[in-house]
Amino acid sequence: DTAVSQTPKYLVTQMGNDKSIKCEQNLGHDTMYWYKQDSKKFLKIMFSYNNKELIINETVPNRFSPKSPDKAHLNLHINSLELGDSAVYFCASSQDLARLAGGENEQFFGPGTRLTVL
Amino acid sequence: SQQGEEDPQALSIQEGENATMNCSYKTSINNLQWYRQNSGRGLVHLILIRSNEREKHSGRLRVTLDTSKKSSSLLITASRAADTASYFCATAVYGNNRLAFGKGNQVVVIP
Repeated sequence: DTAVSQTPKYLVTQMGNDKSIKCEQNLGHDTMYWYKQDSKKFLKIMFSYNNKELIINETVPNRFSPKSPDKAHLNLHINSLELGDSAVYFCASSQDLARLAGGENEQFFGPGTRLTVL
Repeated sequence: SQQGEEDPQALSIQEGENATMNCSYKTSINNLQWYRQNSGRGLVHLILIRSNEREKHSGRLRVTLDTSKKSSSLLITASRAADTASYFCATAVYGNNRLAFGKGNQVVVIP
């Protein structure tokens, strides 16, 4: 009954490889996010989609490409992985954009994917 | 600028004691939220306080908001070992479509 799920939980890979992380939410939410948490636990938003439409695209290298096949899924593909990409990546969702704009935007987080680039 | 900078960064207390942590921010906000992150897990929403509210309670949690000082505090009363976690504040600005998270407070409750 996991509300927001991510796969895989751990990902260890070599520099230069391409990898994907998948996220699914069964809460019926319209808005989904990707965050990156560094080793100091600082949480930074990367992308946000609302009903499959990109609404937030922070200053993220274009090696990172999100894809939302439907509003319940938001996947993250990373090309040419670098050492600095090592972090924990969190997917999250919230109810809808109107509530987000109005501030009623409690976010529900997935368990995270720990990416280690060697 | 980074919203939501908590202070102190780390707190170690005995079970049963109260834990207080603070958060400051720099711009006008619509609401402020607190989240908990247990080790190796995702963040869990604890409480939301709107900019026109000054205090809010939820179980053993008490949150205050002082918009004139641009600061908030989270008090956990009668702490338990299970409260050991990192606590983050996050601010929402109307129409900005995002939360800005602070750096987090590590709280360790010793049984």
